[in-house]
Amino acid sequence: AQSVAQPEDQVNVAEGNPLTVKCTYSVSGNPYLFWYVQYPNRGLQFLLKYITGDNLVKGSYGFEAEFNKSQTSFHLKKPSALVSDSALYFCAVRALTYNTDKLIFGTGTRLQVFP
Amino acid sequence: DAGVTQSPTHLIKTRGQQVTLRCSPKSGHDTVSWYQQALGQGPQFIFQYYEEEERQRGNFPDRFSGHQFPNYSSELNVNALLLGDSALYLCASSWSSGGAGEQYFGPGTRLTVT
Repeated sequence: AQSVAQPEDQVNVAEGNPLTVKCTYSVSGNPYLFWYVQYPNRGLQFLLKYITGDNLVKGSYGFEAEFNKSQTSFHLKKPSALVSDSALYFCAVRALTYNTDKLIFGTGTRLQVFP
Repeated sequence: DAGVTQSPTHLIKTRGQQVTLRCSPKSGHDTVSWYQQALGQGPQFIFQYYEEEERQRGNFPDRFSGHQFPNYSSELNVNALLLGDSALYLCASSWSSGGAGEQYFGPGTRLTVT
């Protein structure tokens, strides 16, 4: 069964420093991987996806993610963090069967960027 | 282009009552999925609707039911509410014939059961 794991409940980083939010996955077949961000009292906003091709995927708001097949990881990165990046981040994997197409989410990582 | 909309924003109900939540998908999308997000957790898949039919259901009891209308909008119904049903309910829409499975989420309905 498909699953993702986010090993860190919280990540703290100073503004201007690079940030990394970790995600590992377990899938059968080729993975379709996603990152979403959730601001307080809001729904989830799509950041980026990996389907195939380049291992470095660029997304919204300056975020990117690095797909590593050998380590089964899909870490979210940003070269220079902003205070406004503080939010809850979810990694997700697509579970596609003959009768459904759903996302399976990790437990989330809270990113706190300090001024 | 309107995104996914949900109503109401907040709802307070008493144990044993019934609730209906509504969702309008993003323009051009024909598939609606519902997720439950408990406090401090990631979203959990409830079920998905396509062509007005329920597809695979997640690990949720029959108290949770839904419907999709010809205009692709959807409702989530929960009967005999329990305290544990308190959560943020998220609707997501997608297009069955394209994309890589990314789903676009609405702002959610915060349900509190007292």
